[in-house]
Order: sequence, then structure tokens, then C-alpha cells
Amino acid sequence: KAGVTQTPRYLIKTRGQQVTLSCSPISGHRSVSWYQQTPGQGLQFLFEYFSETQRNKGNFPGRFSGRQFSNSRSEMNVSTLELGDSALYLCASSTGTSGPTDTQYFGPGTRLTVL
Amino acid sequence: AQSVTQLGSHVSVSEGALVLLRCNYSSSVPPYLFWYVQYPNQGLQLLLKYTSAATLVKGINDFEAEFKKSETSFHLTKPSAHMSDAAEYFCAVRKSGNTPLVFGKGTRLSVIA
Repeated sequence: KAGVTQTPRYLIKTRGQQVTLSCSPISGHRSVSWYQQTPGQGLQFLFEYFSETQRNKGNFPGRFSGRQFSNSRSEMNVSTLELGDSALYLCASSTGTSGPTDTQYFGPGTRLTVL
Repeated sequence: AQSVTQLGSHVSVSEGALVLLRCNYSSSVPPYLFWYVQYPNQGLQLLLKYTSAATLVKGINDFEAEFKKSETSFHLTKPSAHMSDAAEYFCAVRKSGNTPLVFGKGTRLSVIA
């Protein structure tokens, strides 16, 4: 079974631009979660989508948004990029239906650098 | 609110020595606990998870963790470190239902030959 894939793997943008990251979950998984990883703040939850609906949301500004398509693929968008948005963005997929022990499988991440 | 504290941002052990990575949790309800490992330039890989079925949980690559409610701890151990174990390790907690994982700050493990 193929794992979670994220594209692109690396991205360089300048301040003020916007960016879209993509995540394809494991086949059959309906939940996709996004996390931001930085050296200073560690791993922080952005949002989760389940069956095309945002089910959970972290404490990030409205510049961070996402969506999920009918095939469970998900995208996240960051508008008006700031230097502090430089991070590794990780996507995780799971079935989303089996409760708190439902395992989240992570992709390799997209490394975003904002200049 | 749930939280996880990992004691020691960096742990260094000799090859063949015991690995002990510490994790303490704070949760108002019985938690569900996870350990993940991250190798350089990769995503997170699940090592093991506590589901309340047994307090001693065995994971991949000979790692195990013991849930101790009285100490609110879920420390990760491995009897004998290998060079390939050098990585960043994250402890995470999940409260209930389909809530997000809350991660600790991570512990970087170095293995010395």
C-alpha cells in the first residue's frame, strides 16, 4: 500500500506571496491532518479534514486554510507569506473513524522557505 | 488541556547501552499516548501507542514504553542502542474522539560508537 505523499518536497517563496501544498493520503483513509514543524515551536496542529469537512482547527491565523477533495486528497494554502512561516509542513492521514487510537501516518513533509 | 513534557532535548548514549527517553503527560482524562521517531529529512514514523489494553507496550525495533498512571509517565526504552537509532523522538497525547495529537518538544538521540 502506498504511503502518504506530499508535493512539492521543497519550496522557496518570498514574503507576501501565497503557496499551496498538496497531500495524498493512504488509500482508504478519509482523514487528513496538517502540522507545522519549526525549531522554535515544535510540532503544531493546523487543521484536520474528514470527508471534505474541516473537523478540527488549531490556533493559526486565517492566512492558513485548507480543503479536502472527494478523493480525500487535501491541500493547504498560506496567503501573504511571512518569514515566520518557514517550516516543515507535515500531512498525516488516518481512517478517521476508529477513535483516539486511530493511527496517524505521516508523509515526508514539504519544506517551505520564505525569503 | 492536555500537554506532554519531554525531559532532555538531547540524549547521548553509547552503542549497545540502554536508551531511556522520558515523557510525562498532563491530561484531565485517561490519555492515549504515542511515540514517534523522525529521521533527518523525513516525516514521523509511529514507534508504539498506548491504548489502555496493557501498561507495557512493545513497538518496532525493540522499543517499548511503560504507562505509569501514578507518575503520569510514558517513558520510552530500548535495551541496546544501535547507530541507526540516532534520530528525533516525539511523545504525543490524544485526549478522546478524533482530536488532534499534541506533541512534546522532542528529544534528539545521539548514539556514539
